[in-house]
Amino acid sequence: EVQLVESGGGLVQPGGSLRLSCAASGFSLGGYWMYWVRHAPGKGLVWISRINTYGSITDYADSVKGRFTISRDNANNTLYLQMNSLRAEDTAVYYCARDYCSGGTCYYADYWGLGTRVTVSS
Amino acid sequence: QSTLTQPASVSGSPGQSITISCTGTSSDVGGYDYVSWYQHHPGRAPKLMIYDVNRRPSGVSNRFSGSKSGNTASLTISALQAEDEADYYCSSYTKSNTLDVIFGGGTKLTVL
Repeated sequence: EVQLVESGGGLVQPGGSLRLSCAASGFSLGGYWMYWVRHAPGKGLVWISRINTYGSITDYADSVKGRFTISRDNANNTLYLQMNSLRAEDTAVYYCARDYCSGGTCYYADYWGLGTRVTVSS
Repeated sequence: QSTLTQPASVSGSPGQSITISCTGTSSDVGGYDYVSWYQHHPGRAPKLMIYDVNRRPSGVSNRFSGSKSGNTASLTISALQAEDEADYYCSSYTKSNTLDVIFGGGTKLTVL
């Protein structure tokens, strides 16, 4: 059974950093492009980052570019999101998600985790 | 980065059909068939319901169907059930952004 489990969320002060992890099981992480998506309170879902199978191609939404870094450890089946210079508007539930297609991107995700909550507040 | 335009809310009674629209531009919805729809119950993982405009993943009820005309995609849910009450998001490939996927603003479906 495919499972994605996010961790690493919590309360952090503005300007601080957090590193989110997404542990994958039931499939080989190295075979799939992966996403991070966030859901801020009272707002909609937003794609914020994507990484290819090797980690050599990474893309970011303008709202996080230069502050967030997506990476992966295929040997340990884990996806990461390093979040620096956090702002109040980064407060959200963060989900990792698997691209539908194996080996490439189909621009949608078929498996999602339950998310980890990040709160940026002083 | 702009989002696709969805109605904030729709409602219907059990057994009825409803349609949720998702309007974009020729740079996203209108130009490509990479339109997908997600169901999101609060506190749960989003679920892929439709991909490539009108395809259903294995296990998704055939009460859910998708279509597209011009720059507007639509999700139709027939024979509404109480369990369908959720937030629904469309998503599309876009050539306008570095991260080339965008969501709609989401639609809250209420089953009366």
